Amino acid sequence: SQQGEEDPQALSIQEGENATMNCSYKTSINNLQWYRQNSGRGLVHLILIRSNEREKHSGRLRVTLDTSKKSSSLLITASRAADTASYFCATDDLGGATNKLIFGTGTLLAVQP
Amino acid sequence: NAGVTQTPKFRVLKTGQSMTLLCAQDMNHEYMYWYRQDPGMGLRLIHYSVGEGTTAKGEVPDGYNVSRLKKQNFLLGLESAAPSQTSVYFCASSSGIRGLDQPQHFGDGTRLSIL
Repeated sequence: SQQGEEDPQALSIQEGENATMNCSYKTSINNLQWYRQNSGRGLVHLILIRSNEREKHSGRLRVTLDTSKKSSSLLITASRAADTASYFCATDDLGGATNKLIFGTGTLLAVQP
Repeated sequence: NAGVTQTPKFRVLKTGQSMTLLCAQDMNHEYMYWYRQDPGMGLRLIHYSVGEGTTAKGEVPDGYNVSRLKKQNFLLGLESAAPSQTSVYFCASSSGIRGLDQPQHFGDGTRLSIL
């Protein structure tokens, strides 16, 4: 079953603009991760935020986590054409029987030069 | 430092054929995973391993088998390929507690078509 659901499914912006993607999940978590996937490649880890953290930064990336709303957002500032990719959130299956991350279906970001 | 390497990168099979996908990691990670990625469905876990000699079923294990004879290698086998197994297969590895509190490192995938 899908835990994380990203919103929007697709986003098109101009270079230099900010891009915001949202992720909602259903159950309690220990941490939430964001990944990027370029076309034809594997996923690349961006940020991991723990359930006791509210905000985390890495370069042009800012991730927030609201455990009361079971949601997270990924903000990419001053976007570049190279940021064009699919972005996925993933949560741990807290209380689940398997050691697994549950991935959402992703947001496809297109940054127009 | 290669990270996670998957072979082959592409393969076309006929229904009923068998094949093995190989995943190798050079990061000394305990945890390894096989996922499949289908349009509109995100990544789904097929099987995983928490250490050498161990394997466990994930979300969609039917029609697949796995083996982890060496810590660095995780093999995914299709016993009798079916068109429903046409997909992109990703291998990943991780360290940490239950493999869930550290990043997963992914290979670039194997694109498999079953005719």
